Amino acid sequence: KQEVTQIPAALSVPEGENLVLNCSFTDSAIYNLQWFRQDPGKGLTSLLLIQSSQREQTSGRLNASLDKSSGRSTLYIAASQPGDSATYLCAVRGGATNKLIFGTGTLLAVQP
Amino acid sequence: GAVVSQHPSWVICKSGTSVKIECRSLDFQATTMFWYRQFPKQSLMLMATSNEGSKATYEQGVEKDKFLINHASLTLSTLTVTSAHPEDSSFYICSASVGTNEKLFFGSGTQLSVL
Repeated sequence: KQEVTQIPAALSVPEGENLVLNCSFTDSAIYNLQWFRQDPGKGLTSLLLIQSSQREQTSGRLNASLDKSSGRSTLYIAASQPGDSATYLCAVRGGATNKLIFGTGTLLAVQP
Repeated sequence: GAVVSQHPSWVICKSGTSVKIECRSLDFQATTMFWYRQFPKQSLMLMATSNEGSKATYEQGVEKDKFLINHASLTLSTLTVTSAHPEDSSFYICSASVGTNEKLFFGSGTQLSVL
């Protein structure tokens, strides 16, 4: 059974700092990994999708990497801003049923 | 990107009533949709996988008779919470993808409060 863990569970940083969020998964047989952002009481916004054959994806200040063999992914946020404050979720898709399984989330607070 | 519309955004109901939540893919056809629930400060837990024209596949521990899922067309899936109780109060969210290994797009979620 796929298990997805995110570290840290919560993170508070001053504005402008670069930061890294970590995601690990137990079953490396995945099709892709996706990073999402969730604001309180709201749905999910897809940030980046990395296919299993890819090593990284970039969008603006965000860079996500994937090391499938070791079951790890990182989300790098450069020059953080207060508007980046949200919960960040990683999710992996794969297995016989092609389900998307979510991690435990990292609550990020960027202090102005 | 693809748009998934979910309604209602929030609903308050009395214990014992049934509530229907709709999930529509507006600009693409979704053969598969997923339903999740999220308790406060927790991550999303997959409830069931909804396949167009066939029965949904439920995750272990999810009562299929309580959470009725219908996927009658390629653009619409519904989740009905039957005889809702306060412990069913949660954030329910649906998702759909264009293809098997493509990005998943999510609805805006439904906050259900059962009194």
